[in-house]
Formats: sequence, structure tokens, C-alpha cells
Amino acid sequence: EPEVTQTPSHQVTQMGQEVILRCVPISNHLYFYWYRQILGQKVEFLVSFYNNEISEKSEIFDDQFSVERPDGSNFTLKIRSTKLEDSAMYFCASRRDGGTDTQYFGPGTRLTVL
Amino acid sequence: QKEVEQDPGPLSVPEGAIVSLNCTYSNSAFQYFMWYRQYSRKGPELLMYTYSSGNKEDGRFTAQVDKSSKYISLFIRDSQPSDSATYLCAMTPGGSQGNLIFGKGTKLSVKP
Repeated sequence: EPEVTQTPSHQVTQMGQEVILRCVPISNHLYFYWYRQILGQKVEFLVSFYNNEISEKSEIFDDQFSVERPDGSNFTLKIRSTKLEDSAMYFCASRRDGGTDTQYFGPGTRLTVL
Repeated sequence: QKEVEQDPGPLSVPEGAIVSLNCTYSNSAFQYFMWYRQYSRKGPELLMYTYSSGNKEDGRFTAQVDKSSKYISLFIRDSQPSDSATYLCAMTPGGSQGNLIFGKGTKLSVKP
């Protein structure tokens, strides 16, 4: 069964460093998402991406964040200058098309900022 | 008022019990309602998906949506220890974007 994959599973970085989190969405899906979950809190929407551009972003997704689909399979989230409060699980999700179809989540990347 | 409210539990039941999990919401624009199961430090796994009001059944799981009350439920029949996880409700107005708004999750433990 096709699934969303994410690498790395765990990333440790120093405050101020840049990190890139990688995702491979399900191959025939067209909509891509990033969510984050701070320990003990809700899963929160960050950004949606369709047709090679950002469709929607939350207030969390400020200038330190960016997303890219560099090729036909990968979808990346870059955090330019990490802060302690960026420590969280980051989940990638994908959806086949618009309308009623639903989102399938990857296993997540645990980001720890020291 | 928060957009989606969910009792975080924890909820502990004996094996074989019927489990009822609930969420309330405030945004009347929500049209699509989902339940995800999340094991510790793993990604959310889709369990049930419902559009608008009504019931949907899949094996031991039943999802109910009451849009007039802004209330959704997930029932688990004959609960098993393997059902022990955190259950997240999620919803969206739909349309082409469809970013999900999640509840905080209810942690369920089913004791053998």
C-alpha cells in the first residue's frame, strides 16, 4: 500500500542552524501539506502546496519557513534559523485531489533544537 | 472559544467495552470530519472519514456527525488492547485547500 515517507526520523540541531526536512508524498497525489505537533499539544497546520506553489499558510509559517518541491517526488520544509520553540514533530501529508479526498500522513520527523 | 474541543482523557476501559469519543466545534463551515489514530511518536493514521451529518460504520468503528449540535463522535465496539492509542478528531471546510483543524486528542487505554 502506498504511503508517505519522511526523512530523517529524528533531527538534532543547534539554535540558529538551518534544517531541511524531507518528505516523499504518495505518487499520484497532488496536494501536499506540512503540520507540526509540539509535545503534548495539538497537530497544527503549517502550509499547503499545490501546483508548485503555496496555496495557504498559517500564521506559524513565517519568513523562517519555506517549502519546495525540487523534483517530481520530494517535498521539503526548510527552517532557516531554528529556535528552541521549533522543537516538535513535523508531519508531511498528501492528498490525491480536491473535493472530498482526505489526507494521508507520514510518520513524522522529530526536530530537537538545542 | 477554541475551534475544536476534545477531552484529552486519559480514558481507561476494560477489553470488550464500548468506547465513545467526542469532539465539539464552533465553525459552522466545517463539512468534512475525520478521526485519526496516533500511536506514541508516530504519524496520524486515518480511521474514519465522514462528509456532513450522518453515521458511517466500518467494522468495529462508527462515526457520527451532528452538524446542528456541532458535535462528532467515534464509537469503538468490542475494544481491544491494540486499540490503545490517542484518537484525534479533525475537520475542514473542504474545498481545494482542505487544511485540517485538529482536536487535542483523547488518549485511550484498553486493559486486557
